[in-house]
Amino acid sequence: GQQVMQIPQYQHVQEGEDFTTYCNSSTTLSNIQWYKQRPGGHPVFLIQLVKSGEVKKQKRLTFQFGEAKKNSSLHITATQTTDVGTYFCAGPSQGAQKLVFGQGTRLTINP
Amino acid sequence: SAVISQKPSRDICQRGTSLTIQCQVDSQVTMMFWYRQQPGQSLTLIATANQGSEATYESGFVIDKFPISRPNLTFSTLTVSNMSPEDSSIYLCSVSPQGWSEAFFGQGTRLTVV
Repeated sequence: GQQVMQIPQYQHVQEGEDFTTYCNSSTTLSNIQWYKQRPGGHPVFLIQLVKSGEVKKQKRLTFQFGEAKKNSSLHITATQTTDVGTYFCAGPSQGAQKLVFGQGTRLTINP
Repeated sequence: SAVISQKPSRDICQRGTSLTIQCQVDSQVTMMFWYRQQPGQSLTLIATANQGSEATYESGFVIDKFPISRPNLTFSTLTVSNMSPEDSSIYLCSVSPQGWSEAFFGQGTRLTVV
């Protein structure tokens, strides 16, 4: 079945360092979405990418969708303690009405 | 957008008992999704609840263990039946009101089975 792989599983950085998480799908995606889950919280939608090669920015966060629409990345510049949490990518399943989530990247930050 | 009220937020239950989790959405949605999230893990889809038809269960999940109700377009329940400690997890409901553009989640139910 369709798989969405995400790496790394964990990332620990010093505050102020950059952070990147990568997402790779086994199939072409119509769109890819990113979610953030704070410790003890529920996933919250960050952004959706639809077009091949699309790049979107939200303040210090940069999201990219690959040319083949099978991979994506989230880059955070100059991390802050408020960035702590787990970041998930997700894409619509082919042939089934559901989202397929990556395993998530858990970001911890040393202040 | 959609606002989901999920309850209870947490519970500690005895093994062998059942717990029913409720989700109320502030708008009508065709499908509601139930997920399980074990500590430090990703979201695993349990089933999709459609109003007026039986829920569609994912591989590894069965109706006898996780019966779902969907009486109308704004409400759904998930029951965790005959619980064992392995059922200890976070359970989340979710909706995607506008196709697959954005998913909204309830606050989650943290279940501990002792």
